[in-house]
Amino acid sequence: DGGITQSPKYLFRKEGQNVTLSCEQNLNHDAMYWYRQDPGQGLRLIYYSQIVNDFQKGDIAEGYSVSREKKESFPLTVTSAQKNPTAFYLCASSIQGDYGYTFGSGTRLTVV
Amino acid sequence: GQQVMQIPQYQHVQEGEDFTTYCNSSTTLSNIQWYKQRPGGHPVFLIQLVKSGEVKKQKRLTFQFGEAKKNSSLHITATQTTDVGTYFCAGWIGNEKLTFGTGTRLTIIP
Repeated sequence: DGGITQSPKYLFRKEGQNVTLSCEQNLNHDAMYWYRQDPGQGLRLIYYSQIVNDFQKGDIAEGYSVSREKKESFPLTVTSAQKNPTAFYLCASSIQGDYGYTFGSGTRLTVV
Repeated sequence: GQQVMQIPQYQHVQEGEDFTTYCNSSTTLSNIQWYKQRPGGHPVFLIQLVKSGEVKKQKRLTFQFGEAKKNSSLHITATQTTDVGTYFCAGWIGNEKLTFGTGTRLTIIP
């Protein structure tokens, strides 16, 4: 079955450490996205990529970095520069820009 | 900045009652999408509306897109416990990315 996989589901890190969240899709989707969701809040866009080797900053890109070396993969690194990294991180993909997104099951990151 | 707002933020209804959430944009949207996120889960795409004044139905759910393409609504008839979750609208502003609404959390009183 095609889908989008995020790993790990839960992640704990010490303050000051960088951490990379994985996002892999086998849907052959061109576009991929990273969102952050805080408790009781909506979705805020961190980064997005419409084609391989290209990505754009979203609304809250500071303290985050991404790469898009393969169509299937769009990993997100949460750096030590991100002041409040504890959140629920959601990866999504879509066939083309203006169609429904398929979301992964998310990674809950806790920084202690 | 460009925003998509939803009201109400929370809604508690008795099982069997109707529910409506409203979505409003500060700018014209090329289309609007609706998503449902169950507690502890991830958003799941429900539907997309493209045309001005469009109305679509999915069983007990009715979706509308306003004539000016700046607002939308989701109406659920006779809610069931399976309807629990947060409903998000999301609109295309420009042609690169969705802007998600603030969401409406629906809880059902059995």
